[in-house]
Amino acid sequence: GAGVSQSPSNKVTEKGKDVELRCDPISGHTALYWYRQSLGQGLEFLIYFQGNSAPDKSGLPSDRFSAERTGGSVSTLTIQRTQQEDSAVYLCASSLALGGAGYGYTFGSGTRLTVV
Amino acid sequence: EDQVTQSPEALRLQEGESSSLNCSYTVSGLRGLFWYRQDPGKGPEFLFTLYSAGEEKEKERLKATLTKKESFLHITAPKPEDSATYLCAVLEEDDYKLSFGAGTTVTVRA
Repeated sequence: GAGVSQSPSNKVTEKGKDVELRCDPISGHTALYWYRQSLGQGLEFLIYFQGNSAPDKSGLPSDRFSAERTGGSVSTLTIQRTQQEDSAVYLCASSLALGGAGYGYTFGSGTRLTVV
Repeated sequence: EDQVTQSPEALRLQEGESSSLNCSYTVSGLRGLFWYRQDPGKGPEFLFTLYSAGEEKEKERLKATLTKKESFLHITAPKPEDSATYLCAVLEEDDYKLSFGAGTTVTVRA
């Protein structure tokens, strides 16, 4: 597609439930990133993938968070046993090269997660 | 310690009233500094990349400049459509992820 696509755009879930967030990057972009944006906060790095290399998971806040990227394309971020503090906008981005030098990242519109 | 600090948090301008946003950063080696614009309910949209002190980039009413410690985003004669949150991010040498500031929310009144 022309841009980074994320689904769902909004998700309301009950505390303790698991959720899956999907990201479809721009075709040909080898690097994919997940960030989290809480109200009034800057973007918080979660994880990135580059081709077939092992992902950098250093930003994942707890072991309830995991992500995978299948076939070097679509990525899924999974949050298990959701807590209210997980409520945020989850943004996915992709870039041609790791680090996004030049044109930076292209972001999707995000998934707004609300845990009630 | 925060790597990227943006000020002010919010800026209210009258249409045509020029102003500047500040982004100060502390990194051991800068590979690039990025400016993004974010509209409500949307993801950040890329504006500029700056690589070295003294560099300047322009796009319509926006001009970004870079020194060794900070970057400025100048908005000249803003219009209501320039209302948005402007995000600054840095990419350190030997790293692959951007570190973002909290942003400056600009509101331009007609």
